[in-house]
Amino acid sequence: EDQVTQSPEALRLQEGESSSLNCSYTVSGLRGLFWYRQDPGKGPEFLFTLYSAGEEKEKERLKATLTKKESFLHITAPKPEDSATYLCAVQPAFSGSARQLTFGSGTQLTVLP
Amino acid sequence: EAGVTQSPTHLIKTRGQQVTLRCSPISGHTSVYWYQQALGLGLQFLLWYDEGEERNRGNFPPRFSGRQFPNYSSELNVNALELEDSALYLCASSLILSADTDTQYFGPGTRLTVL
Repeated sequence: EDQVTQSPEALRLQEGESSSLNCSYTVSGLRGLFWYRQDPGKGPEFLFTLYSAGEEKEKERLKATLTKKESFLHITAPKPEDSATYLCAVQPAFSGSARQLTFGSGTQLTVLP
Repeated sequence: EAGVTQSPTHLIKTRGQQVTLRCSPISGHTSVYWYQQALGLGLQFLLWYDEGEERNRGNFPPRFSGRQFPNYSSELNVNALELEDSALYLCASSLILSADTDTQYFGPGTRLTVL
């Protein structure tokens, strides 16, 4: 069974204080690993897709990296508007027709001004 | 380009009632996924439709059902509502071109409250 574990559950940062969020996963084969951002009461907003170990992607203050067992979301010099819950999800490669995502429970990030 | 849309935004029902939620995918997308996000439980996969057919379903009882129409829009039906069905119901769409991964884009969700 696919499993995704995110840590920490919650993170409070001062504006400009860089940090990383962790996503550990167990999957029989990885088709893709996804990062989403979710604001309270809204749908998840797509950030990144990572396909293979060693891959990195960047968008503004965010950088996502992938190894064979985990992914990191690095946040550089965060701003208060980066406050949100960040979700990690995996899509399996060898589960027949299954393409649904298995999500972690998320990291709730608060950036204080 | 318009994103995934869902209706209604909010719904309040009582136990035992039935509810229908609606989803319109991004133009050109043929796959629609439904997820449930209950408080404290994270996103749980419900159903996946592609090209009008149900392709897979998650670990939910049969009273959760749905369908996909020829224009690729979709409905999620929940019968005999229970209190624990209170949740944010999220629809996502994607376009599957190959065996490679497909990115799922989410709508704003429908907040269902069961009293």
